[in-house]
This record gives sequence, structure tokens and C-alpha cells, in this order.
Amino acid sequence: GAVVSQHPSRVICKSGTSVKIECRSLDFQATTMFWYRQFPKQSLMLMATSNEGSKATYEQGVEKDKFLINHASLTLSTLTVTSAHPEDSSFYICSARAQPPLGSEAFFGQGTRLTVV
Amino acid sequence: GQQVMQIPQYQHVQEGEDFTTYCNSSTTLSNIQWYKQRPGGHPVFLIQLVKSGEVKKQKRLTFQFGEAKKNSSLHITATQTTDVGTYFCAGSKTSYDKVIFGPGTSLSVIP
Repeated sequence: GAVVSQHPSRVICKSGTSVKIECRSLDFQATTMFWYRQFPKQSLMLMATSNEGSKATYEQGVEKDKFLINHASLTLSTLTVTSAHPEDSSFYICSARAQPPLGSEAFFGQGTRLTVV
Repeated sequence: GQQVMQIPQYQHVQEGEDFTTYCNSSTTLSNIQWYKQRPGGHPVFLIQLVKSGEVKKQKRLTFQFGEAKKNSSLHITATQTTDVGTYFCAGSKTSYDKVIFGPGTSLSVIP
């Protein structure tokens, strides 16, 4: 199946610093990428939807100035957590949806575990 | 807004017993997907259902999409310890809409 690579898999940063997470579709073009956050023992909560070449659409309650999303190409989207705080510590997962004819299945990256100390 | 619900939240079964998780959406779905997440891992795609009343099987797993395309179920026959994990359903209103996940059902299998 299609492969989505997410990097880094783990990151520890100091409070107040920024962290960038990359999501790449390796063998297909992703017109749409989704960013999710998952707290321990909870479900995946959609943070934002990004379409290549346009601004991301954020879900209610997600601060767009804090979670900067850039989808500059059909194979790369980035999520930057700015001025990170301990409450931002979570598991961040991206998924990419391919163009037809691959269908509407969303392929997931391996996730990034962010710890803010 | 669109909501996806799942029951039960947790299920503990003896190895060899069957297991079923149910997924319900507040709106009609274009498609529904099922994922499995092992502890410490990321969600792994299992299957996608798109047709009303569709039933698909993968070995011991049976997936069903309701006639109204608002509910779905995953049934595992004769559970094994390798089935342990959290099973999420996820759906979208259209093929190109955002994918919303249900809260998941955590399955424990007692050997």
C-alpha cells in the first residue's frame, strides 16, 4: 500500500521552543493531508485539514497561530508547534489522502511523540 | 457537527471468544474505515466499506456497513492474543471530506 513517512518519531523540547514535524507521502501524491493529535488512551482528534497550495482548515478550538501547517507540495506537509508548553505533549499523527484512482483511504504516518519539558 | 460513536469502550474476552464493536454516525457517511492500533503504535488501516449493506471478510474479521450508511460493525471470531489493541472506525460525509474517528474500542484478550 501507499507509504506515509512522518519525522521525527520522537522529540523532546524545552518549553517555549518550536518543533517542526514533517509528513511525506513517498509513493503517491496527496492532495489532502490531515493532522491529528492523540492523548493517552483517547481517540484521534482532528486538528486541521490541509490542501496543497492553500491555507489549512482548522477544527474548532485549535489555535492556528500555535499549530502552523504548511502544505507546500503534493508530497509534503509540515506541522510546527510554536512556543510549545507541557500541555502540548501528545502524539501527533498525519495522514494523507491520495488523488483518484487510489480512492479516499487515508494513509497514516507512524506518528510523532512530542514531550515538552 | 458530524459525530462518530463507538461501543463498547472496553471489552475483555477470553481467548477463543468472539468480539464485536459497533460504530454509529450522526450523519450518513460516504464511506467508513476501520483501523487497529496496538499499544504504543500508530493506527493501521484494516478496511474501507463504501456500499450500503456491504459485508467484507478478512480471515476471522467480518466488517459490515449498515443499509442507511450510518452504522457499521466489526466482528472478530475466536479471538487470539494478537487481536489485542484498540479498534477505531472512521468516516467521512463525502469521499473528499475530513475523516472523523470514533472513540475506539479497546480489546483485551485473556489467554
